[in-house]
Amino acid sequence: DAKTTQPPSMDCAEGRAANLPCNHSTISGNEYVYWYRQIHSQGPQYIIHGLKNNETNEMASLIITEDRKSSTLILPHATLRDTAVYYCTHNSGGSNYKLTFGKGTLLTVNP
Amino acid sequence: GAVVSQHPSRVICKSGTSVKIECRSLDFQATTMFWYRQFPKKSLMLMATSNEGSKATYEQGVEKDKFLINHASLTLSTLTVTSAHPEDSSFYICSARDDGVQFFGPGTRLTVL
Repeated sequence: DAKTTQPPSMDCAEGRAANLPCNHSTISGNEYVYWYRQIHSQGPQYIIHGLKNNETNEMASLIITEDRKSSTLILPHATLRDTAVYYCTHNSGGSNYKLTFGKGTLLTVNP
Repeated sequence: GAVVSQHPSRVICKSGTSVKIECRSLDFQATTMFWYRQFPKKSLMLMATSNEGSKATYEQGVEKDKFLINHASLTLSTLTVTSAHPEDSSFYICSARDDGVQFFGPGTRLTVL
């Protein structure tokens, strides 16, 4: 199972970048890093994933350190709707892979 | 991304009754689906892996006779909570994998009175 460490909570001002760190020191060489977020009483929403290169999509950017033991999710211009619990996890992405989740980071975007 | 639906979104039942929750992959086929449970202010806990055409794989501590899983087609998995009790009240969420990414359903809120 994935073992990750994330700060329990973070605050960010609306319109500013939110940088969410995750430590995943036990990640294996073939495992991807995945980020999800969960808004209260909803199912988790996929954000982004990566193996070792930095990734960017319409929602966020993912920066993975060279040793792959940690990563940072960046929301470039946070809005109030980005307030959620953010989870990072890792898995090899094989045919029957399963994801396990830690406690995540509660990001609160303030006006 | 791919879409996963769940039905019902919320259900209230009496203690001792059984409740069935459906999970569907709407625009892709999924040979494997996953069922999670989430208690208030807690993280998601994986309950079982649902495999199309074969038996589900349960996580340690999850009673397979209480939480019946059926994955009869490539787009549908069902979770039946049998003889539900108040302690089974929780948020049940399913997920399915598409092209290496796991997508989650909106969840089902179960309340057992």
